[in-house]
Amino acid sequence: KQEVTQIPAALSVPEGENLVLNCSFTDSAIYNLQWFRQDPGKGLTSLLLIQSSQREQTSGRLNASLDKSSGRSTLYIAASQPGDSATYLCAVDSGGYQKVTFGIGTKLQVIP
Amino acid sequence: ETGVTQTPRHLVMGMTNKKSLKCEQHLGHNAMYWYKQSAKKPLELMFVYNFKEQTENNSVPSRFSPECPNSSHLFLHLHTLQPEDSALYLCASSQEVRIGQFFGPGTRLTVL
Repeated sequence: KQEVTQIPAALSVPEGENLVLNCSFTDSAIYNLQWFRQDPGKGLTSLLLIQSSQREQTSGRLNASLDKSSGRSTLYIAASQPGDSATYLCAVDSGGYQKVTFGIGTKLQVIP
Repeated sequence: ETGVTQTPRHLVMGMTNKKSLKCEQHLGHNAMYWYKQSAKKPLELMFVYNFKEQTENNSVPSRFSPECPNSSHLFLHLHTLQPEDSALYLCASSQEVRIGQFFGPGTRLTVL
């Protein structure tokens, strides 16, 4: 059974700082890994999707990496802004429509 | 705009009420999902529909009844719910494994 862990559970940083969020998973046989952002009481917004054959994906100030062999992914946020404050979720797709496992998320607060 | 809409956004109901949640996707996807998100817990997959056929029911109590009349619409019928069913209910859709899931904004359900 796939298990996804996100560390830290919460993070508070001053504006402008670069930061890294971590996601680890127990079964390396994955199809893809997706990072989401969730604002309080809202749905999930997809940030980056990394296919199993890829090592990283970039979108603006965000960069996500994937190391399948070690069961790890990181989300790097450059020059953080207060608008980046949200909960960031990692989801691992182990194959098929139903085999997606989510982490509990990292709650990020960027202080002005 | 995620292309997945959910109504209502907020719902308060008594334990003896019957209500329905609606989800519509405008992305041309073939698979649709219902998730439950409770505080401090990972997203819990409830139901999966692929081409209108239910492919998974993750041991969800019968007081939750899904309906998928076509690949664009998904309903969750609720009856005789319990207070512990209060949560954010999220709908998602996907085309196939390699694209990932797109989420709606969710329905915040409170059971009194």
